[in-house]
Amino acid sequence: GESVGLHLPTLSVQEGDNSIINCAYSNSASDYFIWYKQESGKGPQFIIDIRSNMDKRQGQRVTVLLNKTVKHLSLQIAATQPGDSAVYFCADLGGYNKLIFGAGTRLAVHP
Amino acid sequence: DTGVSQNPRHKITKRGQNVTFRCDPISEHNRLYWYRQTLGQGPEFLTYFQNEAQLEKSRLLSDRFSAERPKGSFSTLEIQRTEQGDSAMYLCASSARTGSGNTIYFGEGSWLTVV
Repeated sequence: GESVGLHLPTLSVQEGDNSIINCAYSNSASDYFIWYKQESGKGPQFIIDIRSNMDKRQGQRVTVLLNKTVKHLSLQIAATQPGDSAVYFCADLGGYNKLIFGAGTRLAVHP
Repeated sequence: DTGVSQNPRHKITKRGQNVTFRCDPISEHNRLYWYRQTLGQGPEFLTYFQNEAQLEKSRLLSDRFSAERPKGSFSTLEIQRTEQGDSAMYLCASSARTGSGNTIYFGEGSWLTVV
C-alpha cells in the first residue's frame, strides 16, 4: 500500500548547524510532496513543496531534495535556530488531494 | 487573520455526548479536508469536500461521524455518542487549485477529550 515514512523519530542539533530530515515514500506514482512543521499544540504549518518533475527546491533557509530513483526526499534547514524546534512531517499528495503523512521527526535545537 | 479557522479549540465532553466542530476555510478555497491526529502520530485523513460535495470518506469515519459543508463555505464535523477513543485533535485544512500546486493549509485544530 501507499505509505510515507521517516527514517529518524528524533533529531538533535546545535544551534547554528544545518539540519537534514529524511523521508521515504513507497508510491512511485507520487508526484507532489509537502513538508510541514508542527509546533506543540498547533496545526501543521506549510514549509515547502516539490513536484516530481523537480529534484530540488529552495525556500528561505530551507531546501527540499527529491530523489525519485530511490523514492526519498529530504528537508534541509540551514543555520538551525531554536524556533525551528518542532515535529516535521513529509506528506504525499494522493488521489483527491488526500495527504498521507508519516509519523514525523522531532527536531530539537540545543543552544 | 485569513487562515483556516476552527472552533472550538478545546472541548471536553462526557462519553456518550455529541460534539460538533466548525471549520471556516481560507476564503475562496473550494477544497476542504478533515483530519484526525493523536499524540505522536501524523494526521490521518477523514474526509474531503470539493465545494459542497463530499467526495471521499475514510474508513476511519464511522457512522457516528458526519461532516457537512452545506453552502460550500464552512464545514461542520459532528461526532455522535462519543467514545474515549475519539479523543484526538481534529484538523481542518483547505486548498484551491492553482498553477503552482495544490498547497493545503491547516487550521490550528480542535482538541477533543472524552472523559
